[in-house]
Amino acid sequence: SQQGEEDPQALSIQEGENATMNCSYKTSINNLQWYRQNSGRGLVHLILIRSNEREKHSGRLRVTLDTSKKSSSLLITASRAADTASYFCATGYTDKLIFGTGTRLQVFP
Amino acid sequence: GAVVSQHPSRVICKSGTSVKIECRSLDFQATTMFWYRQFPKKSLMLMATSNEGSKATYEQGVEKDKFLINHASLTLSTLTVTSAHPEDSSFYICSARDSGAMSTNEKLFFGSGTQLSVL
Repeated sequence: SQQGEEDPQALSIQEGENATMNCSYKTSINNLQWYRQNSGRGLVHLILIRSNEREKHSGRLRVTLDTSKKSSSLLITASRAADTASYFCATGYTDKLIFGTGTRLQVFP
Repeated sequence: GAVVSQHPSRVICKSGTSVKIECRSLDFQATTMFWYRQFPKKSLMLMATSNEGSKATYEQGVEKDKFLINHASLTLSTLTVTSAHPEDSSFYICSARDSGAMSTNEKLFFGSGTQLSVL
């Protein structure tokens, strides 16, 4: 399977804390993307980092990419209860996006 | 932002019937759409790539005759689950790529998903 893996599978934190999720993948990539999914809903694109980039920021999100280790991390700073959702990394593989196993984030007020 | 409309959001059907799910790009053209399947608390598994005006490309292990895909226009792809069985019960999500996107796998826009329950 080309599917990437994420850890942790589940993460519970208090509001205000930072949340870090990691993603490892197997193939060469053009880019790596992070998506968010609220329970039983579609996915929302959060951020895209290209293979020649090492770090990217968007609001409270910070993404890093290490192509030598085939890994990425997503940091959500100053988390809010509304950040509670599942987060998936997705790697651009040929013309497809292959999703990781996901991290379920629970932020307690 | 780009919107993808997926319909229906939920469907319950009897075993042996067929169910059609529609995926429409509302404000952009999508020569390529993707169909994913998701089991509870699991990741999205790519089922097939839907190409406007040509046959869909199915991932290994996905039955073509079971999951019929039609992409007849630049804004509409349909997935038909034929002769549905309880094991087909799942959450199906479509996504579309803006044909004007810079690279072939730039970000996707997702429909809100269809929860299929086969009794």
